[in-house]
Amino acid sequence: NAGVTQTPKFQVLKTGQSMTLQCAQDMNHEYMSWYRQDPGMGLRLIHYSVGAGITDQGEVPNGYNVSRSTTEDFPLRLLSAAPSQTSVYFCASSYRAGDEQYFGPGTRLTVT
Amino acid sequence: DAKTTQPTSMDCAEGRAANLPCNHSTISGNEYVYWYRQIHSQGPQYIIHGLKNNETNEMASLIITEDRKSSTLILPHATLRDTAVYYCIVRVAGSQGNLIFGKGTKLSVKP
Repeated sequence: NAGVTQTPKFQVLKTGQSMTLQCAQDMNHEYMSWYRQDPGMGLRLIHYSVGAGITDQGEVPNGYNVSRSTTEDFPLRLLSAAPSQTSVYFCASSYRAGDEQYFGPGTRLTVT
Repeated sequence: DAKTTQPTSMDCAEGRAANLPCNHSTISGNEYVYWYRQIHSQGPQYIIHGLKNNETNEMASLIITEDRKSSTLILPHATLRDTAVYYCIVRVAGSQGNLIFGKGTKLSVKP
């Protein structure tokens, strides 16, 4: 199993650009989520999904969209990048909601 | 989800046991204690969890007090690769929302 994979590892965007952060898992997990981690702070939940076709907002959803068309993939879209979205983004998955979560290696995003 | 309190930092000699404490005095009866760690620049890694009985796996042991108000994560033979921030989290099994990571304990394993 590859576990949870994320692409790209690093990305630099200009303000106003859009992009999609990719996340995939091959463990047949129902629950997937996106977090962001800013320096000196804990992880904050952006969006999550309890299964294909179902998504919901987390603590900090503004400026981000998600979709879950398959069990394996959970892409995160930045609609119009802002410097405040400079952060490290982690995708995570678990067999069910509330189970132990497995995290990807992260995407380091800088918005200038 | 209940709040947790952990020491900011701890040191441990390589090869010795690392004992990381966590207070969760307001834990509810249906809340589990989870431990994760984050090695520098990597994604968090699940370690172990438990409800009220002590638990052991290939990575660590979890000791939960009888009143469930505190717990200790034990790494039996710490190595330099165990240097990381360790997070104690309490949450209801099956809950969908945030994992509240807090600030955790920075464990430094020294040769």
